[in-house]
Amino acid sequence: GQQLNQSPQSMFIQEGEDVSMNCTSSSIFNTWLWYKQDPGEGPVLLIALYKAGELTSNGRLTAQFGITRKDSFLNISASIPSDVGIYFCAGSPDRGSTLGRLYFGRGTQLTVWP
Amino acid sequence: DGGITQSPKYLFRKEGQNVTLSCEQNLNHDAMYWYRQDPGQGLRLIYYSQIVNDFQKGDIAEGYSVSREKKESFPLTVTSAQKNPTAFYLCASSIAKRPNQPQHFGDGTRLSIL
Repeated sequence: GQQLNQSPQSMFIQEGEDVSMNCTSSSIFNTWLWYKQDPGEGPVLLIALYKAGELTSNGRLTAQFGITRKDSFLNISASIPSDVGIYFCAGSPDRGSTLGRLYFGRGTQLTVWP
Repeated sequence: DGGITQSPKYLFRKEGQNVTLSCEQNLNHDAMYWYRQDPGQGLRLIYYSQIVNDFQKGDIAEGYSVSREKKESFPLTVTSAQKNPTAFYLCASSIAKRPNQPQHFGDGTRLSIL
């Protein structure tokens, strides 16, 4: 199946700092999604991107659909303790029999120190 | 409220036993999915269904079975053939008629071996 490389694997930051994480794919994707998962719960959608170059914000979160269509980035500004969790990228390939199916990165574990 | 309900929250299986995980949605979504989550592994697709009475294998279908007799329900059976079933199982749904739509998740079932 498709491979999504998400980095970094984990981050330990101080409250108030900005956070950046990214995701790359081996092939072109036409959809990029970012989810957050709290412990013991299902992932919750944060931002959806559908167009190359698109930059979308959701409060302190900003995500971008890379121009090459093979990568996406998520930034969190002025982190707070409730930002703690696992952040997943997900994408859908541009064509083929798996069109519409999502592939997930392995996640970035974010820890915020007060 | 509309959403995805997974039950039970915790499940224990004895060796050689089949167990069934429930997933119900009242979002009127056509597509439903089952994922397995292991620490540090991200989400891996087990089975998915785009329409009633039809489903496809995902990347790790061996040892699992599903049915889709109703639009609202997509139960997953973990059979005795699955030798390492201990994991967190997530069910998701999306509007299949619009490709690449975000998937929305339930809160998961944690399965453990006795």
